[in-house]
Amino acid sequence: NAGVMQNPRHLVRRRGQEARLRCSPMKGHSHVYWYRQLPEEGLKFMVYLQKENIIDESGMPKERFSAEFPKEGPSILRIQQVVRGDSAAYFCASSPGLNQETQYFGPGTRLLVL
Amino acid sequence: AQRVTQPEKLLSVFKGAPVELKCNYSYSGSPELFWYVQYSRQRLQLLLRHISRESIKGFTADLNKGETSFHLKKPFAQEEDSAMYYCALSYQGGSEKLVFGKGTKLTVNP
Repeated sequence: NAGVMQNPRHLVRRRGQEARLRCSPMKGHSHVYWYRQLPEEGLKFMVYLQKENIIDESGMPKERFSAEFPKEGPSILRIQQVVRGDSAAYFCASSPGLNQETQYFGPGTRLLVL
Repeated sequence: AQRVTQPEKLLSVFKGAPVELKCNYSYSGSPELFWYVQYSRQRLQLLLRHISRESIKGFTADLNKGETSFHLKKPFAQEEDSAMYYCALSYQGGSEKLVFGKGTKLTVNP
């Protein structure tokens, strides 16, 4: 089991461009979580998805950010018109989906906005 | 709102010394508490969670509801314990999301 995969590992964008971050959960896991870590901060929850459903997006900024987890393929976190404040590490985690099961984390994507 | 506080940003001990990483939380109900660890250049991984009551790599943590704490302890630190440690909680009605502290960087000196 390769574990949670994220790509790209590093992403550089100029202000105004779009950033797409991908997350492939562990085999057998149907629940995906996205977290953001700003410098010197802990991880902050953004969104929780199951296949084709957003369960909780209470941590997502209201504008420019969106997430999906289609029936086939990885989960995508999309940031439109990036700004410098979006520079952060974005972590994806997956779980089997049972009650309060352990979340397994990916290596993260480091986004740098110039 | 639910919150996790790790008061020490940095903690440095010598090899063989006891180590305690502090974690306090604010939540009025019964949370699920976790310690995650991130070794250099590795991904975040679960160290232990309070319901399992396991001792992993010599670390233990006891949930103290009276003091709302979940401190991580090890009687004899090893150099390979040097890492970032994050305390986290999840709660009923919180849709399984984890609330993390800011982390403590532990350095174990030879």
